[in-house]
Amino acid sequence: KAGVTQTPRYLIKTRGQQVTLSCSPISGHRSVSWYQQTPGQGLQFLFEYFSETQRNKGNFPGRFSGRQFSNSRSEMNVSTLELGDSALYLCASMGGNYEQYFGPGTRLTVT
Amino acid sequence: AQKVTQAQTEISVVEKEDVTLDCVYETRDTTYYLFWYKQPPSGELVFLIRRNSFDEQNEISGRYSWNFQKSTSSFNFTITASQVVDSAVYFCALSEAGYSSASKIIFGSGTRLSIRP
Repeated sequence: KAGVTQTPRYLIKTRGQQVTLSCSPISGHRSVSWYQQTPGQGLQFLFEYFSETQRNKGNFPGRFSGRQFSNSRSEMNVSTLELGDSALYLCASMGGNYEQYFGPGTRLTVT
Repeated sequence: AQKVTQAQTEISVVEKEDVTLDCVYETRDTTYYLFWYKQPPSGELVFLIRRNSFDEQNEISGRYSWNFQKSTSSFNFTITASQVVDSAVYFCALSEAGYSSASKIIFGSGTRLSIRP
């Protein structure tokens, strides 16, 4: 069974731009969650999508948004990028056993 | 509010030594899940274990063992006969029980484990 895949793996953007990250969950998993990891704040939950609907949300500003498609693939969008958005963005998929499996992450650098 | 504390920021031991990573959690929920993840230098979080709050039985998997004590709100992780490949950052984490809320995981700050040859 293939694991969680994320694209792109690395990204460099300029302040003020927007970015879209993609995540493909493990086959059969309907829940996809996104996390931000920074040296200062650690790992923080962004949001979760289940069956194309946002089911849970963390404490991030509205510049962070996402969506999920009918095949469970998910995208995360960050608009008006700030320097502080530089981070490793991790996607996780969850099956019926309540275990979340993470992808390799997308490392975003904002200059 | 939920909180996970990993007081040990960094640990360095010589190969073959046993090492225990501490984890203390706070939650008002009566049912919850506890997790341990490993993050090697590649960056990917590797799932190690999930424990239900109602199951206090300790678990052993090869060189890994976990000690869950609800009375002290602790979920410690021991690596026996450590190996260089065990070098990584280890995260303890917590979530509410229930499929609709189990996805929102609260992570500790992590413990960086270095195993010296």
